[in-house]
Amino acid sequence: TQLLEQSPQFLSIQEGENLTVYCNSSSVFSSLQWYRQEPGEGPVLLVTVVTGGEVKKLKRLTFQFGDARKDSSLHITAAQPGDTGLYLCAGKILGGGFKTIFGAGTRLFVKA
Amino acid sequence: KAGVTQTPRYLIKTRGQQVTLSCSPISGHRSVSWYQQTPGQGLQFLFEYFSETQRNKGNFPGRFSGRQFSNSRSEMNVSTLELGDSALYLCASSGTGEIYGYTFGSGTRLTVV
Repeated sequence: TQLLEQSPQFLSIQEGENLTVYCNSSSVFSSLQWYRQEPGEGPVLLVTVVTGGEVKKLKRLTFQFGDARKDSSLHITAAQPGDTGLYLCAGKILGGGFKTIFGAGTRLFVKA
Repeated sequence: KAGVTQTPRYLIKTRGQQVTLSCSPISGHRSVSWYQQTPGQGLQFLFEYFSETQRNKGNFPGRFSGRQFSNSRSEMNVSTLELGDSALYLCASSGTGEIYGYTFGSGTRLTVV
């Protein structure tokens, strides 16, 4: 059972375009993370959000945690080829112990 | 500071063999988690260890096992390998507390032939 649904699964855009990736669940999360993974490497943590409604910015990346802590989004402004990779959301379900579950990922390709 | 170190990076085994993978977490991190990543299933949680105790376990058969040592280093073992065990095995360490995300190693690419 996939508890974290990510969309879209695949995205191919031109350099300079904006994009948004979504992460949704029916479960409430105590915290949620976004990672970026490049081929042959482990995922790299981009951000952790904890509070419902929280918005965090990391240069051209904006992360938002839903008010009910069931969903999150990642917005990239003016995408660059270096943003290419697999974006994963992950979270710990409230009251679900110490296990972190991952979404299936969004594979982003930014063309120069 | 040093990151999470996984050894070996690549491994080729034949069906029926067993394999042991090693993970050294970031210094000071007491939690170590293991994930299996395949193109079809994404990242699947195997287990998590904290202070030498298994704190949580995913839905994998008993052929998959792990342990953690007093210095927080961890190993996972897969016995009686099957072709479907071919995957990238990722180890991740984290600090104490709900808000901490993971620091992942580069993974061990296991191929079973």
